[in-house]
Amino acid sequence: GALVYQYPRRTICKSGTSMRMECQAVGFQATSVAWYRQSPQKTFELIALSTVNSAIKYEQNFTQEKFPISHPNLSFSSMTVLNAYLEDRGLYLCGARAQANSDYTFGSGTRLLVI
Amino acid sequence: QQQVRQSPQSLTVWEGETAILNCSYENSAFDYFPWYQQFPGEGPALLISILSVSDKKEDGRFTIFFNKREKKLSLHIADSQPGDSATYFCAGNNAGAKLTFGGGTRLTVRP
Repeated sequence: GALVYQYPRRTICKSGTSMRMECQAVGFQATSVAWYRQSPQKTFELIALSTVNSAIKYEQNFTQEKFPISHPNLSFSSMTVLNAYLEDRGLYLCGARAQANSDYTFGSGTRLLVI
Repeated sequence: QQQVRQSPQSLTVWEGETAILNCSYENSAFDYFPWYQQFPGEGPALLISILSVSDKKEDGRFTIFFNKREKKLSLHIADSQPGDSATYFCAGNNAGAKLTFGGGTRLTVRP
């Protein structure tokens, strides 16, 4: 079956530092990868949508300068949170799918705590 | 502007009852509506989905009812079990573009 692994599962970083999170697709080719942040209030915010061989599309309020994303092949993507502050805390979810009309499979997320 | 809204925010039912979770949307271009189930500490997992050309989709105890004219849909969970206790998210998608999630309904099923 299609699985998505994210690591680390949780991480703590000091305010102003950066941390990188990774997303691995297993059992299918991740043509598209969507990175979301789920706030403590449970709402999902789309950060960016990455499609192989296309430019990464960032949503309003999210920038490449703050959340650089790499999607080098059909099984892997990574995102870095640069200069993390309290408002960046939350559960970062990676969702991947093989085709535009297929369902997203989500990983378990990387929980970011900022102290 | 929240494009997908869910109600209630939380719902408690007794084991064996039918839980009804509501969802409404604003974007007429949405043509696909997946529902995700999320347990604490986990990512969302696809539960059931419906295309806008259908008005009903059934999968075991889970049924989606869809009203395109009113831009509303609902998820019915029949014979609710304690193991169904989770947060349920309705989402809208159009032509393969981004998935827009609602705020979720936290369901508790009491034995």
